[in-house]
Amino acid sequence: QVQLVESGGGVVQPGMSLRLSCAASGFTFSDFAMHWIRQAPGKGPEWVILISHDGSSKSEDSVEGRFTSSRDNAKNTLHLQMNSLRSEDTAVYYCARGGSGGDWARRTFDAWGQGTMVTVSS
Amino acid sequence: IVLTQSPGTLSLSPGERATLSCRASQSISSSFLAWFQQRPGQAPRLLIYGASTRSPGIPDRFSGSGSGTDFTLTISRLEPEDFAVYWCQSYDGSPYTFGQGTKVEIK
Repeated sequence: QVQLVESGGGVVQPGMSLRLSCAASGFTFSDFAMHWIRQAPGKGPEWVILISHDGSSKSEDSVEGRFTSSRDNAKNTLHLQMNSLRSEDTAVYYCARGGSGGDWARRTFDAWGQGTMVTVSS
Repeated sequence: IVLTQSPGTLSLSPGERATLSCRASQSISSSFLAWFQQRPGQAPRLLIYGASTRSPGIPDRFSGSGSGTDFTLTISRLEPEDFAVYWCQSYDGSPYTFGQGTKVEIK
């Protein structure tokens, strides 16, 4: 079965960096786009960044230029590099599976990890 | 696309019918609209995609309908495990947006 396991969360000071990882199993990882989605405490989910099966990415405006995503298809692993962190980046960060094949960008998130908590605080 | 969900909270008893609404600020092409359920401490779970197609393993008491700007999630008979928060989501390309959620609570 599809499994996504995030790691790397923690407490960091504003302006610092953090790198999250997501280990995927149970499906052909290299065929699928992947997403990072975050959820601040008591708030709704917020899409953060999409990475296509071959590594091109698109991000939400508030993280543009600060967050980047990469993937290692040989190791079935997804990463989120977060720089210049702000207090408003505090959230649970989920990786989620996107689409494959034609029109892959217009698919919803059909599998999610359990999330990893990132707290940005001085 | 801005998604507005109503009501914010729905207070119902087990066995009752729940009707949740999601209205989009502009038409969503080809019904690229999904519904998610989130229980406390868990990740969201995909219930419905394409406005009306149930995700594998989702009970048939969950149904989705609508097109254009108005969408509905119906739970025909609430089971104890259905009391949770529900999110609608548009995936007609980035940015992918979520509504602000409807909490279904036990009356």
